[in-house]
Amino acid sequence: QVTLRESGPALVKPTQTLTLTCTFSGFSVTTSEMSVSWIRQPPGKALEWLARIDWNDDKYYITSLKTRLTISKDTSKNQVVLTMTNMDPVDTATYYCARTFWSGYYNYFDYWGQGTLVTVSS
Amino acid sequence: DIQMTQSPSSLSASVGDRVTITCRASQSISNYLNWYQQKPGKAPKFLIFAATSLQSGVPSRFSGSGSGTDFTLTITSLQPEDFATYYCQHNYRTPLTFGGGTKVEIK
Repeated sequence: QVTLRESGPALVKPTQTLTLTCTFSGFSVTTSEMSVSWIRQPPGKALEWLARIDWNDDKYYITSLKTRLTISKDTSKNQVVLTMTNMDPVDTATYYCARTFWSGYYNYFDYWGQGTLVTVSS
Repeated sequence: DIQMTQSPSSLSASVGDRVTITCRASQSISNYLNWYQQKPGKAPKFLIFAATSLQSGVPSRFSGSGSGTDFTLTITSLQPEDFATYYCQHNYRTPLTFGGGTKVEIK
């Protein structure tokens, strides 16, 4: 059974660094063609993909936030961590982690965490 | 970056109706197109990959079509549990992007 769960602070102040942890079970991110992505959704708005880390430790980021994001994995703990620096109120959103499954060259988010709401406010 | 545009942004329909949602890519993405369903307060649910392939367990009233830049999600005979917001997402290359969403509401 595949599960993912996000954890991190519910409230951060502007300019602070956000650290979110995705703890998962039922799969391994060291398995070929298995990845984990982070996706966010501001209140009432659309989904926005942020970053992905692959089984071979390759990392990919959204262009607009590339300088502020870092994704990493701890395979011994079955965790993927996302850090976002210099937080701003516009970064207020529900942050999801999702398993990225590969079928040949196709990939998709087949399992999602429940999401964690992060509010940026002083 | 590839931009994904969905239309309409919302629609009203009745149970039993046939509903079609359109997604357009800013450049050709072949058939590297996924669809998701999201209900209020919940994480998205994966429906379709490779533009036309239904995820296991997804009802057959859902179908996808298209290739290149233009894609559609069709729901034949809309059911009460289908009222939700639907998102397309390309996986042609990174960065990955989603469409703006289409909210399907009860008429």
